[in-house]
Amino acid sequence: DTGVSQDPRHKITKRGQNVTFRCDPISEHNRLYWYRQTLGQGPEFLTYFQNEAQLEKSRLLSDRFSAERPKGSFSTLEIQRTEQGDSAMYLCASRPPMRVGYGYTFGSGTRLTVV
Amino acid sequence: GDSVTQMEGPVTLSEEAFLTINCTYTATGYPSLFWYVQYPGEGLQLLLKATKADDKGSNKGFEATYRKETTSFHLEKGSVQVSDSAVYFCALIYNQGGKLIFGQGTELSVKP
Repeated sequence: DTGVSQDPRHKITKRGQNVTFRCDPISEHNRLYWYRQTLGQGPEFLTYFQNEAQLEKSRLLSDRFSAERPKGSFSTLEIQRTEQGDSAMYLCASRPPMRVGYGYTFGSGTRLTVV
Repeated sequence: GDSVTQMEGPVTLSEEAFLTINCTYTATGYPSLFWYVQYPGEGLQLLLKATKADDKGSNKGFEATYRKETTSFHLEKGSVQVSDSAVYFCALIYNQGGKLIFGQGTELSVKP
């Protein structure tokens, strides 16, 4: 068990460019979550998957954001036409099935800087 | 909607001092409650949890008791160490499989 892996760790991009982040969850975890964390704030929920199905999306997830989890394994989060306000840490987390009240396992995050 | 409010930081303490970080929540029903810790340059780690009223979560000398009557989950430690310096987040999950809702975080700095 190598934990939740996120790639890349850091990404600097120019405004207007598209970026894609990847998350590899713990293999036996069927639920995968994306969060965004800005400086001095707690993580904010973006979206989550149960296996390959995307079950909930936050209103924070504008139409420039899209997430996928093909085959219920790794997940990608794409941001199109990036804006400076997208600069943040993007966190991925996974959890096992049917574990009421159990905490998640978080990855180390991808820090995005839009210049 | 559901929300979590933490005391504002930063909190600066001397080594061996007593720590309290206040956390209150607003939720319909009975959420599970968590404290997460984020050390500099690292990801979020689960520190402790409580799943029902009057439960006490504990880990590494930290404790928190789920108080339904005051909708609180305050984090305490009797004697902090320099290595406890980190950002602490209170969080709740309302329903199974649902999302974690975090407070804004409280930065703790412990001086030797």
